[in-house]
Amino acid sequence: GIQVEQSPPDLILQEGANSTLRCNFSDSVNNLQWFHQNPWGQLINLFYIPSGTKQNGRLSATTVATERYSLLYISSSQTTDSGVYFCAVQYNFNKFYFGSGTKLNVKP
Amino acid sequence: DTAVSQTPKYLVTQMGNDKSIKCEQNLGHDTMYWYKQDSKKFLKIMFSYNNKELIINETVPNRFSPKSPDKAHLNLHINSLELGDSAVYFCASSPRDSGGYNEQFFGPGTRLTVL
Repeated sequence: GIQVEQSPPDLILQEGANSTLRCNFSDSVNNLQWFHQNPWGQLINLFYIPSGTKQNGRLSATTVATERYSLLYISSSQTTDSGVYFCAVQYNFNKFYFGSGTKLNVKP
Repeated sequence: DTAVSQTPKYLVTQMGNDKSIKCEQNLGHDTMYWYKQDSKKFLKIMFSYNNKELIINETVPNRFSPKSPDKAHLNLHINSLELGDSAVYFCASSPRDSGGYNEQFFGPGTRLTVL
């Protein structure tokens, strides 16, 4: 299989701060997604990003496939950003693996 | 205009019972999935169907049986429920492009509690 590791496991921020979440994977992947699981348990798509950089408002993501990592940037964090952030990879076309997540708590 | 829907949202049942969870997607996707999220929030794929055909079957007890009556529906039937089956079950769907790359979209989850 493939190992998908996320760091840090836990992160506490003051509202307005910036942060970077990291996802490392141990083998080449076909695809990578970032999700936000909000406190109500809903999994929300953030980015579909097998390579390159994408931006969506205060969030952006970069995947460097050749070096087997992806980064999620959150700028000017808000309390509504709290929750768990997962990266998920598609490996060997029909295998899907999630990382163990980064739990983010943004304090007002 | 819910994209991926699941019923029920909550399911509380006794050990040994049989239960089903239903999933429907209106995105026109060809591929659907079931995932299990345990108490530590770890997400693991269980099954995947492409156009009603099983393509992924991870190491899951055969008490779990997926059924896909058509490509918009993927149901999960669980026999002889055990305490360890308590978890949140997520359904997901994805298109399947020519490169085989799949962006997945998730349903709201079904929280199963086995007493």
